[in-house]
Amino acid sequence: SQQGEEDPQALSIQEGENATMNCSYKTSINNLQWYRQNSGRGLVHLILIRSNEREKHSGRLRVTLDTSKKSSSLLITASRAADTASYFCATPLWGSGGSNYKLTFGKGTLLTVNP
Amino acid sequence: DTGVSQDPRHKITKRGQNVTFRCDPISEHNRLYWYRQTLGQGPEFLTYFQNEAQLEKSRLLSDRFSAERPKGSFSTLEIQRTEQGDSAMYLCASSLREDEQFFGPGTRLTVL
Repeated sequence: SQQGEEDPQALSIQEGENATMNCSYKTSINNLQWYRQNSGRGLVHLILIRSNEREKHSGRLRVTLDTSKKSSSLLITASRAADTASYFCATPLWGSGGSNYKLTFGKGTLLTVNP
Repeated sequence: DTGVSQDPRHKITKRGQNVTFRCDPISEHNRLYWYRQTLGQGPEFLTYFQNEAQLEKSRLLSDRFSAERPKGSFSTLEIQRTEQGDSAMYLCASSLREDEQFFGPGTRLTVL
């Protein structure tokens, strides 16, 4: 089952603009992660935010988490053509063994940055 | 390059044939995951290993699918009697802790 859902499904912007993607999820989490996937390639981990954090920065990335609304946002500032990719939020689900060892992903946001 | 490798990167097979994929995780990672991703979708969990023990299998993993991780190092995913619906990207990931997972480049399977 897919826990997270990204919005919008697709986003097209000009180089230098900021890009904001949103993620909503359904159940309680202890962390939320964002991944990037270039076309036809594997996923690259971008950032992890824990449930007791509200905001986190990494370079040009800013992630927020609102556990009361079960939502997160990813902001990419000063976008570049190389940022063109699909972006996924992922949340862990607790397994029967008592540890949350699998990630559930949304369908992703396809970001296109035009030069 | 995350340090996780997968082989082959692409596989084209005819319906009914068996295929096997290999994943080499980051050497010190004891956790290994397999996911499947179809076009326009996010990855979906298939199975998880901690060391050599397979601790969970998704309902997506039918009897035609089998995964192994002998000696807790590399892992193989075998699909028997492939069907066209098996066409997808098969992703392997490894981790040391219960958070960030490092993904391989994936194996794209096309079943004709």
